[in-house]
Amino acid sequence: DGGITQSPKYLFRKEGQNVTLSCEQNLNHDAMYWYRQDPGQGLRLIYYSQIVNDFQKGDIAEGYSVSREKKESFPLTVTSAQKNPTAFYLCASRSRVQGNLYEQYFGPGTRLTVT
Amino acid sequence: QQQVKQSPQSLIVQKGGISIINCAYENTAFDYFPWYQQFPGKGPALLIAIRPDVSEKKEGRFTISFNKSAKQFSLHIMDSQPGDSATYFCAASRLQSGNQGGKLIFGQGTELSVKP
Repeated sequence: DGGITQSPKYLFRKEGQNVTLSCEQNLNHDAMYWYRQDPGQGLRLIYYSQIVNDFQKGDIAEGYSVSREKKESFPLTVTSAQKNPTAFYLCASRSRVQGNLYEQYFGPGTRLTVT
Repeated sequence: QQQVKQSPQSLIVQKGGISIINCAYENTAFDYFPWYQQFPGKGPALLIAIRPDVSEKKEGRFTISFNKSAKQFSLHIMDSQPGDSATYFCAASRLQSGNQGGKLIFGQGTELSVKP
């Protein structure tokens, strides 16, 4: 079964704790992304990685960290420095359709609640 | 310049009606415009996408209309069904491989409700 897996589906943490969200894909995609979604807002890019051992900050990287040690995995750590971490977090990967045409596919998301 | 503005924020349509969602962009370098459909608690799913070399693309009941000169594009859902009730996001990107990895800029989303 091919796809993007995010775990857990729901995550609860106390304020001040770091938490790591998992994202795994078996689609052999090179590029992977982390987005944050808040109610009534679009998706905002946190970090992305085009290749193993390389990643770049997106629009809202402060308070987050990532690693890309394997092609299949792109975990996101929400640190205690993130001021408002409660949100729905979405992982995505990108496939080449043809030529320079790519498509992004999303995982099912992790809803993080910090109290 | 990087924004994509989407309207309306919410939309209620009767079953069988036409749902229309509009998006406007500023960056003329954008050359890929996908639409995503998201059901509550799920990740967005790619619905349909268009390149600026065509003015319209149709897939089943879903049509994208693209107006390059106005920098606007819209999603039309014909014969809307209750099962179409979801949040729809437009997005824009530059496909050139050297540019930030095909980063998508998303609109704010439209919550569509189709009444039976």
